[in-house]
Amino acid sequence: EAGVAQSPRYKIIEKRQSVAFWCNPISGHATLYWYQQILGQGPKLLIQFQNNGVVDDSQLPKDRFSAERLKGVDSTLKIQPAKLEDSAVYLCASSRIADSKNIQYFGAGTRLSVL
Amino acid sequence: SQQGEEDPQALSIQEGENATMNCSYKTSINNLQWYRQNSGRGLVHLILIRSNEREKHSGRLRVTLDTSKKSSSLLITASRAADTASYFCATHPTRGQGAQKLVFGQGTRLTINP
Repeated sequence: EAGVAQSPRYKIIEKRQSVAFWCNPISGHATLYWYQQILGQGPKLLIQFQNNGVVDDSQLPKDRFSAERLKGVDSTLKIQPAKLEDSAVYLCASSRIADSKNIQYFGAGTRLSVL
Repeated sequence: SQQGEEDPQALSIQEGENATMNCSYKTSINNLQWYRQNSGRGLVHLILIRSNEREKHSGRLRVTLDTSKKSSSLLITASRAADTASYFCATHPTRGQGAQKLVFGQGTRLTINP
C-alpha cells in the first residue's frame, strides 16, 4: 500500500509571495488532514476534509490560507500572501472513513521557509 | 489548541536503558495515541489505548492510561539508537466537532546515546 504523498519536500519563498502544497492520500482514505508544525511543536490541525467536504477549518487563517479537495482524492493547500511566521512544516495525513479509532497516516511533509 | 502536555520536553539516555515519557490532557477522550517522528519525516502511529483500557503492550512499548488523572505514559524498554526521535501523544476527544480529530501534544525529544 502506497503511503501519503506530498510535494514539494522543500520550498523557500519571500514574504508576500504565494505558495501551494499538494497531497495525495492513501487510496481509499476518505478523510484528509492538513497540519502546520512549527519547529519544536506538535502538529496543529489547519483543515480536515471528508471526501470533498470540509469538516473542520476552525484553525485555518482564512485571510491567507485556502485548501481544496475538489474530487475527494488529492488536495492542495495554498498560502497567499505568505508571512514570516508561516515558516513551518506542512503535513498531510489521511484516515479511513468511519474509523472509530481515528488512526492517521502522515506524509513526509513540506518544509516551508519564508524569508 | 494543543491539549496534550508532554513531559519531559527532552530526554537523553544510554542505549539499553528504558525511556519513559508522560502526557497529560484536559478533556474526555475516546482514545489516546502515541506517534513517533524521525527528523525531517512525517509522524508514524505507534500504539493506541482506548479510554476503558489501563495498559497496552506492543513489542518494546508499554502504554498506560489513567483517565481519572487525565494522563498517560509511554515506556520504551531496552532502547536502541534507532529510537532517537520525537514522540507525540495525541488525544481523540469524545465530544462535538473535536470528536473527529486528533489533538497533538508538544512532544518529547528522545536521544539515545550509543
